[in-house]
Amino acid sequence: QKEVEQNSGPLSVPEGAIASLNCTYSDRGSQSFFWYRQYSGKSPELIMSIYSNGDKEDGRFTAQLNKASQYVSLLIRDSQPSDSATYLCAAGGRSDYKLSFGAGTTVTVRA
Amino acid sequence: KAGVTQTPRYLIKTRGQQVTLSCSPISGHRSVSWYQQTPGQGLQFLFEYFSETQRNKGNFPGRFSGRQFSNSRSEMNVSTLELGDSALYLCASSWERTQYFGPGTRLLVL
Repeated sequence: QKEVEQNSGPLSVPEGAIASLNCTYSDRGSQSFFWYRQYSGKSPELIMSIYSNGDKEDGRFTAQLNKASQYVSLLIRDSQPSDSATYLCAAGGRSDYKLSFGAGTTVTVRA
Repeated sequence: KAGVTQTPRYLIKTRGQQVTLSCSPISGHRSVSWYQQTPGQGLQFLFEYFSETQRNKGNFPGRFSGRQFSNSRSEMNVSTLELGDSALYLCASSWERTQYFGPGTRLLVL
């Protein structure tokens, strides 16, 4: 079983719609959670970090964390063609800097 | 602040050779982590250095090694290259628990 699992893609949404990405993790000791965006041929770029249960909003992005369910999600509101990329979910420990990544979900925003 | 820099950006090597990759973290960041990204395995953690000490190590063979210098710059070395080592090698610079990735070094082993 992989440590971090993401919903299988690809995910195709029309421009202006909400894209919903899900992620589960198996290590209950995980304390920090991150969403990265990776364009084809580029390196991962940090979008959001979340450490506490609940929602965290940053512009058009909202991350949700539920530690009891070991679940993290990312909502992208008002999706734009420039949001077309692979989104990576990552989980880390309380103090160590080792991140475990999911396989990624590829999102395509149709104009 | 300047971002994470990695050199070289592209490398072509043959089996059995060795390779050294370099990473300069964001100014002020003392932790550097290395990851390997392949289409089949995704992003996998190699190791992490803080203040010249390896703090964490992933499940990779001993052919993969690294070090960190007093200015926080880091290098990783892969000896006796295998075809399966072809990958994008990413360095990440950390501030507290947040990691920021460099552009990566794309290694092709022939």
